[in-house]
Amino acid sequence: QKEVEQNSGPLSVPEGAIASLNCTYSDRGSQSFFWYRQYSGKSPELIMSIYSNGDKEDGRFTAQLNKASQYVSLLIRDSQPSDSATYLCAVPMDSNYQLIWGAGTKLIIKP
Amino acid sequence: EPEVTQTPSHQVTQMGQEVILRCVPISNHLYFYWYRQILGQKVEFLVSFYNNEISEKSEIFDDQFSVERPDGSNFTLKIRSTKLEDSAMYFCASSDAPLGGQPQHFGDGTRLSIL
Repeated sequence: QKEVEQNSGPLSVPEGAIASLNCTYSDRGSQSFFWYRQYSGKSPELIMSIYSNGDKEDGRFTAQLNKASQYVSLLIRDSQPSDSATYLCAVPMDSNYQLIWGAGTKLIIKP
Repeated sequence: EPEVTQTPSHQVTQMGQEVILRCVPISNHLYFYWYRQILGQKVEFLVSFYNNEISEKSEIFDDQFSVERPDGSNFTLKIRSTKLEDSAMYFCASSDAPLGGQPQHFGDGTRLSIL
């Protein structure tokens, strides 16, 4: 059973600080990793994709991948109240058609 | 930016009735997906569709469910004889390549309420 694990939170971070979200996955062969943001009652919105070990930066967001340790993280710099949402980690199964989803980490940015 | 569009945004149906959820994927995308999310729970994969046929389906996607691409733009999910436990948000997604290459982009979802 392939799994994606996330701490459900909530993770509370002061405005302007760095929010760090973590995700572990069970399939050592996974090659692609996606972070989605989901506001309450809304659909998942793609934030970052990462395919290689190391860091990938996009604006205030940085995704970090460590395949040896089977974890992927998302850092949000200069956190804003609008970043308050649930962040979902998603990893494709072997077939490449099906995403396995973590339960999501609820992030709360306190003004 | 191109979007995946879903209609209706909210569907209320009596138990036992049939519902059809509609999606218009991004125009140059070739891979289409349906997911559902029961309130407070994880997003769950239902089915993927490529080249006019189902590529993969989950255990949830039983004989009650079917998908169709009736024309060049729409992608539909039909649920026959709905049950109370079918109440959920249903998301359509599309991508221009399998997941190894490109991520999936989601529509705003249809909230299905079975009474």
